[in-house]
Amino acid sequence: NAGVTQTPKFQVLKTGQSMTLQCAQDMNHNSMYWYRQDPGMGLRLIYYSASEGTTDKGEVPNGYNVSRLNKREFSLRLESAAPSQTSVYFCATKPPGSGKTQYFGPGTRLLVL
Amino acid sequence: GESVGLHLPTLSVQEGDNSIINCAYSNSASDYFIWYKQESGKGPQFIIDIRSNMDKRQGQRVTVLLNKTVKHLSLQIAATQPGDSAVYFCAENIRETSGSRLTFGEGTQLTVNP
Repeated sequence: NAGVTQTPKFQVLKTGQSMTLQCAQDMNHNSMYWYRQDPGMGLRLIYYSASEGTTDKGEVPNGYNVSRLNKREFSLRLESAAPSQTSVYFCATKPPGSGKTQYFGPGTRLLVL
Repeated sequence: GESVGLHLPTLSVQEGDNSIINCAYSNSASDYFIWYKQESGKGPQFIIDIRSNMDKRQGQRVTVLLNKTVKHLSLQIAATQPGDSAVYFCAENIRETSGSRLTFGEGTQLTVNP
């Protein structure tokens, strides 16, 4: 039982390049989330998916797209990376029902030059 | 806009002392609050949670207190150990028609001195 996995662990991009961050979970959770964390700050929600086939914008969605491929996988895409997107990206999942906490992956460190 | 924030960005304590980390929130619609611990280079890890209809909840060496009157949340760690050194985040859960979402505070860096 791996929980929440993220790939890659680390990536360097040049401005304008594109890439997809992958997230997968084996906990059979319905909801999945993408956050970014900048130095000295808390996590900010980019996009989330309450269930397979649905996605919604979070606090900072600009410059990103997501795909809920199936119940297990939720990917985050940067079509044209910018230096302002240098950050650590965390994926999280949540089981159904109220009052349930989110479980986080180990993160992907992205550096955009 | 509404937000969750922490009173102190850093806290330094001696090993064996008790630690208290504070959090203020402003969204009265929040139904659930969570404390996370984040060690360097890792994702946030769940510590303890509390529903909005409770005012206290205890775990192993940790206690969360919720004061809805002043919209204040605190995390108490008893007999703090070096392994407790980390950044601690509070988060509030807000239920929306499309699902629930967490809003995080900025975090408090706890340093435990031996």
